[in-house]
Amino acid sequence: QKEVEQNSGPLSVPEGAIASLNCTYSDRGSQSFFWYRQYSGKSPELIMSIYSNGDKEDGRFTAQLNKASQYVSLLIRDSQPSDSATYLCAVNIKYGNKLVFGAGTILRVKS
Amino acid sequence: GAGVSQSPSNKVTEKGKDVELRCDPISGHTALYWYRQRLGQGLEFLIYFQGNSAPDKSGLPSDRFSAERTGESVSTLTIQRTQQEDSAVYLCASSLAGTSVRITDTQYFGPGTRLTVL
Repeated sequence: QKEVEQNSGPLSVPEGAIASLNCTYSDRGSQSFFWYRQYSGKSPELIMSIYSNGDKEDGRFTAQLNKASQYVSLLIRDSQPSDSATYLCAVNIKYGNKLVFGAGTILRVKS
Repeated sequence: GAGVSQSPSNKVTEKGKDVELRCDPISGHTALYWYRQRLGQGLEFLIYFQGNSAPDKSGLPSDRFSAERTGESVSTLTIQRTQQEDSAVYLCASSLAGTSVRITDTQYFGPGTRLTVL
């Protein structure tokens, strides 16, 4: 089992729809969870961080964390073509600052 | 500084040569990380610095890879005797603080160095 797993996609949604991206992780003790967006040929940029169970909203983005089920998700409301990118889930594994990244989910928003 | 910077942005080298990649973290960030990203793949952790010490080198793929950091500033990643499988984008990230009980600070990434080994 991989430490952080994501569906590679591509996930295709029409413009204006809600895109739902999911991530599962193996270390039950993980406490820090991040979603990064990576455009082709660019470096990852932070979208959201979440540390507590429940939902965290920031503009069109909502991160959801369920530690009991060991999954974290990202919802993008009113998806735009500019949201088309690879979304990376990152989780701290074991003690300290090591982040393990999932392989990423490709999102395509069609106008 | 404005953000994490890396140099060079692109490096083409011949198999067997040594290369040095440089990373300048955000000013005031004590933690620095190196990752490798092969084409179409996710990020692979290489090494983490807290100040100028490296508490986690577990991701360095072989003894051809080494890294050092001067204080809480510049870091260099050196790859000796490069091989074609070393071709990738090498990403550096920094975060404000280092160790904390099970909480990881947000990491901010530089633009990366694209390494091509012919």
